[in-house]
Amino acid sequence: AQSVTQPDIHITVSEGASLELRCNYSYGATPYLFWYVQSPGQGLQLLLKYFSGDTLVQGIKGFEAEFKRSQSSFNLRKPSVHWSDAAEYFCAVFLSGGYQKVTFGTGTKLQVIP
Amino acid sequence: NAGVTQTPKFRVLKTGQSMTLLCAQDMNHEYMYWYRQDPGMGLRLIHYSVGEGTTAKGEVPDGYNVSRLKKQNFLLGLESAAPSQTSVYFCASRPTGANEKLFFGSGTQLSVL
Repeated sequence: AQSVTQPDIHITVSEGASLELRCNYSYGATPYLFWYVQSPGQGLQLLLKYFSGDTLVQGIKGFEAEFKRSQSSFNLRKPSVHWSDAAEYFCAVFLSGGYQKVTFGTGTKLQVIP
Repeated sequence: NAGVTQTPKFRVLKTGQSMTLLCAQDMNHEYMYWYRQDPGMGLRLIHYSVGEGTTAKGEVPDGYNVSRLKKQNFLLGLESAAPSQTSVYFCASRPTGANEKLFFGSGTQLSVL
């Protein structure tokens, strides 16, 4: 069965510091991968997605993610974090074929300190 | 263009009561999903639908039923609510392409006492 693992439940970074949020997936074929962000009390917003081609994908708000097949990872990065980036981040994988399910990781809550 | 609309936004139930959550989308999407969000557990898929008249079980379907009689609506029912069903429920829809994103509703906060 497909699964998505986000090993970090909570991360704290200083404003202006770099950020990397980890995501590992378990799936037999090349997955369709997504990162979503959820601000407090809000719904989820798509940051970026990967489905083929370049393994480094750019998203909104200055985020990027790199797909590494050998490590089954799709880590999210940002060179300089802003206080407004404080939110919860979810990695997700889409299982195509006969299922059409979208499975989410457990999320990483990002705290940004001045 | 309203997108994905969930009703109600808040609800408090007593154990054993029943209720239906309504999700409506006006984007002509084929796929619709119901998730529940609990602290530390992310979003877990309850049921989903790949088209009008079809439904399928997700990761945590027990205690819930769904129906997709019309393409634009996806209903989530709780026949006999339990405190373990206290959660925030999100509906989402998406087009059929594999790389398409999910469009989310604003969520329903459900408390079962």
